[in-house]
Amino acid sequence: AQRVTQPEKLLSVFKGAPVELKCNYSYSGSPELFWYVQYSRQRLQLLLRHISRESIKGFTADLNKGETSFHLKKPFAQEEDSAMYYCAPFTGGGNKLTFGTGTQLKVEL
Amino acid sequence: DTGVSQDPRHKITKRGQNVTFRCDPISEHNRLYWYRQTLGQGPEFLTYFQNEAQLEKSRLLSDRFSAERPKGSFSTLEIQRTEQGDSAMYLCASSLSDTSSGANVLTFGAGSRLTVL
Repeated sequence: AQRVTQPEKLLSVFKGAPVELKCNYSYSGSPELFWYVQYSRQRLQLLLRHISRESIKGFTADLNKGETSFHLKKPFAQEEDSAMYYCAPFTGGGNKLTFGTGTQLKVEL
Repeated sequence: DTGVSQDPRHKITKRGQNVTFRCDPISEHNRLYWYRQTLGQGPEFLTYFQNEAQLEKSRLLSDRFSAERPKGSFSTLEIQRTEQGDSAMYLCASSLSDTSSGANVLTFGAGSRLTVL
């Protein structure tokens, strides 16, 4: 079955600690992978996409086709990183994003 | 153009009533999506349009739900005979479908929250 899994509903880290938000996917073909973020009281917005190979707000994500993973990482968490993060493959055949259940990141001082 | 607009932002209705939500996408975007999000869950795909054509509908979209995009610009999502289980945030998003760098990047609206009493 095609699915995307974010195993942690809540991840709590201290400011300055490394962060890794896990995402595993199970899709046929080679979906394009995205991370979306929703800050408190704001709309869902794009954080980064794997084909861009960019670092956005200090976050990076590497697509590992062998492990079918697309984990989101940041070496030093900041308080403003506290938000809900969603991993989402874009399946070309379906032409849509399919979202995981999300991980709530809480950065504590 | 200030992004994707949704109206109303919040709708409270009684069970059995009909409700309609409107979405105005980014003007140059030819794809428009509807998602539904309930508490503790990620957004769930409902349907999408490319221009005025509705190309895919989720099995989540029962016969009580209908979406239109008559001129390939704004879209409406109507729910007939609402049920308490329809209470959710209804999200609209738009995107390009061509091969530009912006393709497949969905821009979301703020959502329309439905509460069915």
